Amino acid sequence: EAQVTQNPRYLITVTGKKLTVTCSQNMNHEYMSWYRQDPGLGLRQIYYSMNVEVTDKGDVPEGYKVSRKEKRNFPLILESPSPNQTSLYFCASSLGGGVVYEQYFGPGTRLTVT
Amino acid sequence: GDSVTQMEGPVTLSEEAFLTINCTYTATGYPSLFWYVQYPGEGLQLLLKATKADDKGSNKGFEATYRKETTSFHLEKGSVQVSDSAVYFCALSSNTGNQFYFGTGTSLTVIP
Repeated sequence: EAQVTQNPRYLITVTGKKLTVTCSQNMNHEYMSWYRQDPGLGLRQIYYSMNVEVTDKGDVPEGYKVSRKEKRNFPLILESPSPNQTSLYFCASSLGGGVVYEQYFGPGTRLTVT
Repeated sequence: GDSVTQMEGPVTLSEEAFLTINCTYTATGYPSLFWYVQYPGEGLQLLLKATKADDKGSNKGFEATYRKETTSFHLEKGSVQVSDSAVYFCALSSNTGNQFYFGTGTSLTVIP
């Protein structure tokens, strides 16, 4: 089944404790992206990747890191999480950039930072 | 910069009512426009899209027309069903196709 998977689905952590949220897709997609969803703000793009070893900042990259060492994986790293990073996070992938191609979203990771 | 503005919710309609969710955008160049739907506890799914002015996207009875003169992409459906209850997001992709901008989402509840 074609899908985007994220792990973990739920995470509660404390300020400053490094964490990684994994994202994997099995559709051989070139483009991958991370978003955060907050009430009243909709989805905001954090980082995106056009291909392996090619990443770029979205609208809200501060406090996040990403890497794209393999085509199928695009982990999101929070080196020193803070409470303002409490949010619902979505990973997405598509065949290419968004002008033509549909994005496929993962089920989401709900992160709470205390 | 690029942005999307969509009507505030929540919206509550009776089954078979007509639905309109307004969406306007600000962008340089010629973005592509999308409507995504999010059912409870799930990720977003593409509902429809339009990639150039005057294009009409349609799917599952929903329609939206890319209006460059009014910078709008309003979502419509002639007769909603209970199963249409969800959150709807208007979105655009930048001129380069690399970055996405989403509206704040509109929650729709359809009652029998």
